[in-house]
Amino acid sequence: GEDVEQSLFLSVREGDSSVINCTYTDSSSTYLYWYKQEPGAGLQLLTYIFSNMDMKQDQRLTVLLNKKDKHLSLRIADTQTGDSAIYFCAAKGNQAGTALIFGKGTTLSVSS
Amino acid sequence: GAGVSQSPSNKVTEKGKDVELRCDPISGHTALYWYRQSLGQGLEFLIYFQGNSAPDKSGLPSDRFSAERTGGSVSTLTIQRTQQEDSAVYLCASSRSGTSSYEQYFGPGTRLTVT
Repeated sequence: GEDVEQSLFLSVREGDSSVINCTYTDSSSTYLYWYKQEPGAGLQLLTYIFSNMDMKQDQRLTVLLNKKDKHLSLRIADTQTGDSAIYFCAAKGNQAGTALIFGKGTTLSVSS
Repeated sequence: GAGVSQSPSNKVTEKGKDVELRCDPISGHTALYWYRQSLGQGLEFLIYFQGNSAPDKSGLPSDRFSAERTGGSVSTLTIQRTQQEDSAVYLCASSRSGTSSYEQYFGPGTRLTVT
């Protein structure tokens, strides 16, 4: 089955760019997601990308997908202290109702 | 509009007792998912409901876990004879059907502690 891997921690300074990386194993994964979880809160859908796309930009967020290497990244420009959270990468197959397969999450710590 | 809601937000129970966790999906969302988030295992899929179809129970870890969805809306996850390893945050998500079915929106979760 699908396996999604992420590095566990990332520490950056306020104003820098953050890049969170993710790899997945199932080449048939059609949808790839980034979720954000703040302390004590649920998962917030940040952005997603279809497997037929290379890049998606949404304000300060840029998602890059290398389908050949099964590598996904999330870049946060001008990182702020409010971006400190756990970021989860997730993959989903094409069939309706397929569950999301999550990575273990990357804890982003932003220092001022 | 209103998001996915879950209740209770926290539940402490004694080992061996049964618990019920509730999820109210976003209005109009026909698909509903339960996930479990625990320290050792990360986020794991438990069960999926779509309309009136038979649920996909492939993620339930044991027969102590069951879920139902009444009237295609509210869902209840029941854990019988709770064990300490059941301690986790239980998350519910919902999505539309059709072309937007890839967007799953999560509730705030129920933190279950089994003592």
